[in-house]
Amino acid sequence: EVQLVESGGSLVQPGRSLRLSCAASGFTFDDYAIHWVRQAPGKGLEWVSGISWNSGSTGYADSVKGRFTISRDNAKNSLYLQMNSLRPEDTALYYCAKDMQGGSYYSGAPLDPWGQGTLVTVSS
Amino acid sequence: QSALTQPASVSGSPGQSITISCTGTSSDVGGYNYVSWYQQHPGKAPKLMIYDVSNRPSGVSNRFSGSKSGNTASLTISGLQADDEADYYCSSYTSSSTPRVFGTGTKVTVL
Repeated sequence: EVQLVESGGSLVQPGRSLRLSCAASGFTFDDYAIHWVRQAPGKGLEWVSGISWNSGSTGYADSVKGRFTISRDNAKNSLYLQMNSLRPEDTALYYCAKDMQGGSYYSGAPLDPWGQGTLVTVSS
Repeated sequence: QSALTQPASVSGSPGQSITISCTGTSSDVGGYNYVSWYQQHPGKAPKLMIYDVSNRPSGVSNRFSGSKSGNTASLTISGLQADDEADYYCSSYTSSSTPRVFGTGTKVTVL
């Protein structure tokens, strides 16, 4: 069974940093691009970042560019999101999601499956 | 990149059919056949229901179907059931600086 499990979310003060992790199992991790998507409380989905199979290409939403860094460790079947200079508007449930079809994050491929998410709350 | 436009809510009675629209531009929905639809029940992760405009992943009921005309994509749910009550999001590839954009979301209510 393909599974993604996020961790690392917590309550953090504005301006501080946090690192999220996503542990993958049930598929050949280094064959696929992986993404982070977030959902603010009561709001819709927002694509945050994506990374290609070999870490050769990464992309970010304008709202997090320069503050967030996505990375992966294929040997550990793990995805990460380093979040710096956090703002209250970054408060959200953060999901990791597998690209359904291939290794490039910059494609139109759907996201399937998704993890259950990890909650990040930015507040003083 | 602005979110794709969906109606805030759609409702129908059991057994009826409903259609959810997703309107974008020629830079996203209208320009590519890379439209996906996701179902999200309260407190749960999104689930892929339709991809590449009209394809259903294995295990998804054939009561769910997708289409596209111009800059607007649509998700139709036929034979509406109680378990279809959920939020639905469309998503499209986009030629902007970010590769994908989501819709504003539609809450489906089964009366």
